[in-house]
Amino acid sequence: GNSVTQMEGPVTLSEEAFLTINCTYTATGYPSLFWYVQYPGEGLQLLLKATKADDKGSNKGFEATYRKETTSFHLEKGSVQVSDSAVYFCALSVWDTGRRALTFGSGTRLQVQP
Amino acid sequence: EAGVAQSPRYKIIEKRQSVAFWCNPISGHATLYWYQQILGQGPKLLIQFQNNGVVDDSQLPKDRFSAERLKGVDSTLKIQPAKLEDSAVYLCASSLGRLDRGLRASNQPQHFGDGTRLSIL
Repeated sequence: GNSVTQMEGPVTLSEEAFLTINCTYTATGYPSLFWYVQYPGEGLQLLLKATKADDKGSNKGFEATYRKETTSFHLEKGSVQVSDSAVYFCALSVWDTGRRALTFGSGTRLQVQP
Repeated sequence: EAGVAQSPRYKIIEKRQSVAFWCNPISGHATLYWYQQILGQGPKLLIQFQNNGVVDDSQLPKDRFSAERLKGVDSTLKIQPAKLEDSAVYLCASSLGRLDRGLRASNQPQHFGDGTRLSIL
């Protein structure tokens, strides 16, 4: 089956620190990979995505590269801000005769301190 | 464009009672999903619709959960009777669900509503 494993949180950083949140996956077939972010009291928002090997998704200073050889999609940001405090979910989607629901990791809470 | 609308935002019921959630997807989106997000976990799919047909309900506890999307637009999810372990946030998501400007349906992003937080006493 499909599964996503994320590093456990919370991750606590000071403002302007470098962020890495690890994500690895197993999938039957060729997945598309996503990072979603959930701010307190809000729904999930798509942060970035990559649909094939070696693609790099980027948005709002966040980046992640689809690494097929290591089945990974680690999220990085060079300088975090307090406003980045949220829960981050890694997810994959595999096309299978119309089924394309997302399989999520358990989420990593990021806390950025001023 | 307007996002995915869900109601109610919060619901508190006692176990063995019934409850219903409503979702209105983004206009024109053919695919609709219901996810269950238990505290501290990632969302898990309950059911996927394509227009008014069910594509995947393999993880829906059919003895107590039901969902419909009769006209292929908005959808309702019902729990009857509720159990304590049903306490969770119920998320609705939608995606375009068809080939659009070269973007295959499999690569289209899902857009999520704010969810309904259900507490069972």
